Amino acid sequence: IAGITQAPTSQILAAGRRMTLRCTQDMRHNAMYWYRQDLGLGLRLIHYSNTAGTTGKGEVPDGYSVSRANTDDFPLTLASAVPSQTSVYFCASSESAGGTDTQYFGPGTRLTVL
Amino acid sequence: GQNIDQPTEMTATEGAIVQINCTYQTSGFNGLFWYQQHAGEAPTFLSYNVLDGLEEKGRFSSFLSRSKGYSYLLLKELQMKDSASYLCAVVRGDYKLSFGAGTTVTVRA
Repeated sequence: IAGITQAPTSQILAAGRRMTLRCTQDMRHNAMYWYRQDLGLGLRLIHYSNTAGTTGKGEVPDGYSVSRANTDDFPLTLASAVPSQTSVYFCASSESAGGTDTQYFGPGTRLTVL
Repeated sequence: GQNIDQPTEMTATEGAIVQINCTYQTSGFNGLFWYQQHAGEAPTFLSYNVLDGLEEKGRFSSFLSRSKGYSYLLLKELQMKDSASYLCAVVRGDYKLSFGAGTTVTVRA
């Protein structure tokens, strides 16, 4: 039973480099989400996907892009990393995009941009 | 904007009861979640309230008052393993979640 997996677990990245965080779920959930968690700020939504083939912007989308080519995978790309993108990134999924379905979270990726 | 307030930290003794309050002002309301997050781990689901009143689930209970924009999570018979952060999250009018910053609960022997 995997649920949601994320890779890498942690990464140190030089500023200006491109980085893709991977997220895969095996629950056949329609909706997927990317959040960042920073001390004192709580989880903030970066991008979301209501269903395969569609994506949308959350509260803090600048500097990030996503794609949803299939149901299972939802990668997050930082085109040119900056130190302010140092954070813990969580991928989540829910059965539908209705908002009232429980979101299940992956183990997170700890990213440090120097 | 969205405003969700919860205390930053709480400390309690093993076996005691702790109540974590959450007040919110959001663009629309379609329910409220409580999640538990142990240090270095993913948030996990505890409860969901959409109607006013108390929902009890074992040692954990959650209460909602929509008219007051208020919820609380009640943890009874505290155990050391309950030391964690507790996140309040509101389902907004657009059906996306807004999270509070979380309350870190420390249980002492």
